[in-house]
Amino acid sequence: AQSVTQPDIHITVSEGASLELRCNYSYGATPYLFWYVQSPGQGLQLLLKYFSGDTLVQGIKGFEAEFKRSQSSFNLRKPSVHWSDAAEYFCAWRSGGFKTIFGAGTRLFVKA
Amino acid sequence: DGGITQSPKYLFRKEGQNVTLSCEQNLNHDAMYWYRQDPGQGLRLIYYSQIVNDFQKGDIAEGYSVSREKKESFPLTVTSAQKNPTAFYLCASSVRPGLGDEKLFFGSGTQLSVL
Repeated sequence: AQSVTQPDIHITVSEGASLELRCNYSYGATPYLFWYVQSPGQGLQLLLKYFSGDTLVQGIKGFEAEFKRSQSSFNLRKPSVHWSDAAEYFCAWRSGGFKTIFGAGTRLFVKA
Repeated sequence: DGGITQSPKYLFRKEGQNVTLSCEQNLNHDAMYWYRQDPGQGLRLIYYSQIVNDFQKGDIAEGYSVSREKKESFPLTVTSAQKNPTAFYLCASSVRPGLGDEKLFFGSGTQLSVL
């Protein structure tokens, strides 16, 4: 069955430090991949998406992600984290059609 | 501003009671979805609708029902058959899926708790 794995339940990063959130998917064909962010008690907001072309995609709020087919990964990165980045981050996969599969999420804590 | 409105923000259910969560969108999207979010489990699809008067079960439809009488509205009823309804419920919409790269737009959610 198709699945999305986010190995880290939570991560703590110092403000100003770099960030990398991991995401792995299990599916053979090129998927459509997304990263969403959720603030507490709120809905999800799209950060970025990949579906073809350049494997390094830029998103909002200074985030980027790199698609690596050989590793079945789509990791999210940010060079310098701000306190306002503290939230929960979800990786998601979609093959076409109506079904989007979400990872379990990674909660990011930012320390001063 | 266009968006998705969910109400109420908080809802309490008594045992044996049916409750209905509201979801309205003014984005002119064809597709609408209901997800359930439990801590540490990500989002799981309950129901989705491609078009008015049509809807399909998702992965965890048991104990839930929906209707899609208008393009803008997709209410979710949590029935008494749902034995563990406490969760955060998210409504989403998108343009009609084609290639699959269509993003989801989310409402701000409803927290349902059992009294």
